[in-house]
Amino acid sequence: EDKVVQSPLSLVVHEGDTVTLNCSYEVTNFRSLLWYKQEKKAPTFLFMLTSSGIEKKSGRLSSILDKKELFSILNITATQTGDSAVYLCAVGVNNNDMRFGAGTRLTVKP
Amino acid sequence: EAQVTQNPRYLITVTGKKLTVTCSQNMNHEYMSWYRQDPGLGLRQIYYSMNVEVTDKGDVPEGYKVSRKEKRNFPLILESPSPNQTSLYFCASSFQNPRGPSSEFFGPGTRLTVL
Repeated sequence: EDKVVQSPLSLVVHEGDTVTLNCSYEVTNFRSLLWYKQEKKAPTFLFMLTSSGIEKKSGRLSSILDKKELFSILNITATQTGDSAVYLCAVGVNNNDMRFGAGTRLTVKP
Repeated sequence: EAQVTQNPRYLITVTGKKLTVTCSQNMNHEYMSWYRQDPGLGLRQIYYSMNVEVTDKGDVPEGYKVSRKEKRNFPLILESPSPNQTSLYFCASSFQNPRGPSSEFFGPGTRLTVL
């Protein structure tokens, strides 16, 4: 059975802190790994990773994939209150199935 | 404006009364999918479609049907809704590439309550 596990489930930090969110997976026929941010509405896309060791970066957010150890991390530096959200990890498997983790709820306090 | 629209946004219904949630995208995406989101379980894929007339089961297809007669539309049908289908439903679409779907654009969600 395909599994996507995110940790921690919940995290509270103060503005300016750096956070690292984890996503580990055990799936058949890995295709890709995607990160999304979900505030009060629908998830919005952050990154798509298909190759090990290549960092994707967008402003204060960055992500990297390790296909040998089967995990990905999402880093957020100099956090702001606007970063408060649920961060979702999704893994593309088999032909075109997507498997999501339960998410990490990040709260950034002023 | 590029978007995925869903209707209705909110629906309260009773057990056994057939319903359809519509989904439409204006980005000419090949790939469309339906998810349900429940507390503690994250997003779970119900059905997906790689193109017109091509649909496949996701992780939790039981109790749902879909159709893809046109590229832009991907309705979700609950023939006989039950209370365990109370959930928040998202439709999503993306371009298709050899690695599977690329970044998915999500609709605003449909909150369904089945009494």
